[in-house]
Amino acid sequence: GDSVTQMEGPVTLSEEAFLTINCTYTATGYPSLFWYVQYPGEGLQLLLKATKADDKGSNKGFEATYRKETTSFHLEKGSVQVSDSAVYFCALSFLNYGGYNKLIFGAGTRLAVHP
Amino acid sequence: GAVVSQHPSRVICKSGTSVKIECRSLDFQATTMFWYRQFPKQSLMLMATSNEGSKATYEQGVEKDKFLINHASLTLSTLTVTSAHPEDSSFYICSATRPKETQYFGPGTRLLVL
Repeated sequence: GDSVTQMEGPVTLSEEAFLTINCTYTATGYPSLFWYVQYPGEGLQLLLKATKADDKGSNKGFEATYRKETTSFHLEKGSVQVSDSAVYFCALSFLNYGGYNKLIFGAGTRLAVHP
Repeated sequence: GAVVSQHPSRVICKSGTSVKIECRSLDFQATTMFWYRQFPKQSLMLMATSNEGSKATYEQGVEKDKFLINHASLTLSTLTVTSAHPEDSSFYICSATRPKETQYFGPGTRLLVL
């Protein structure tokens, strides 16, 4: 079945370090890919998305490129801040009959950034 | 982006009572709403998909008589945890969407059953 695999956390970095969180997927067909972020005690916020191969999603300094050949959607940021500390979820979705997207989430990766 | 609210944000109840959680799309009409459950330090587990005006579709292993979902309007869905027990304690998150659009998530409701 369709699934998403993320690198295990926690990831601990110093401020201004480079961030990579790996995400790979298994899917029949061509899904859309997403990164969501969850701050402590809150719901999920969409961080970025890509809907087709070679698309690059970007937001708030974060980037991820949809790589069909490696079935990957790794999240990167050149210089992290303490405020980036959160849990990051990679997800995929397909359009169903009703036109809505059923999301399949990875396990989540906790990021802790220290001053 | 679109705004989705949940109420209450936290609720504590006694074992055996029922708890209702509301999910509202504040600035758009949501034809579909989803209900998720999240255990501490774990990912989100989809419980059910709710389309306005029709019965919810539950995921395998989710008791539909335990978790009652009503989607009576295009801006409101409710999840009622009936006869709650301590093992129902969790973080419940809803999301709302329209066809071919991204899901927009609510801030979550933390339920503690004593």
